[in-house]
Amino acid sequence: EDQVTQSPEALRLQEGESSSLNCSYTVSGLRGLFWYRQDPGKGPEFLFTLYSAGEEKEKERLKATLTKKESFLHITAPKPEDSATYLCAVQPNYGQNFVFGPGTRLSVLP
Amino acid sequence: NAGVTQTPKFQVLKTGQSMTLQCAQDMNHEYMSWYRQDPGMGLRLIHYSVGAGITDQGEVPNGYNVSRSTTEDFPLRLLSAAPSQTSVYFCASSYSHVGGTEAFFGQGTRLTVV
Repeated sequence: EDQVTQSPEALRLQEGESSSLNCSYTVSGLRGLFWYRQDPGKGPEFLFTLYSAGEEKEKERLKATLTKKESFLHITAPKPEDSATYLCAVQPNYGQNFVFGPGTRLSVLP
Repeated sequence: NAGVTQTPKFQVLKTGQSMTLQCAQDMNHEYMSWYRQDPGMGLRLIHYSVGAGITDQGEVPNGYNVSRSTTEDFPLRLLSAAPSQTSVYFCASSYSHVGGTEAFFGQGTRLTVV
């Protein structure tokens, strides 16, 4: 069964304090791993897609990396506006549906 | 482009009532889907469609119906609402039905069944 777990469940950082969020997955074959950001009361917003182990993507203070079993979302010098829930999802190579993890709720304090 | 539009944003139903959650996209996407989001459980797939006239069940389809008569619209019907269907519902669309492309989400419908 395809499965995605994320840790930690919640993370509180001071502004400027860098950290990483983890997404571990088991899937029979990976078509892609996706990171989304979700603000309260809103729908998820796409951040990155990673397709193969060793791949990295960056956007402002965020950097996503991928291995054969997990992905990390590194947040460098976060700001309060980075506070959100970050969702990880995998897409198996046998289909087009996504399997989502439960998310990590990030709070960045000024 | 409006992207993915969901209506209503909020709804309260009594047990046993039926209703339709509307979803429309203006990006000419082949693939559309419905998820429910519950605390601590992540997004779970209810139903999906790979094109007009084609629908299939996801992980949690019981109690829900869908149809796709046009590329743009993908309504979700609750047949007889139950308190267990209290949740936040998201509609999403993707360009390709074969996968590999990101999903675009609507703003969600918060449904309470009393």
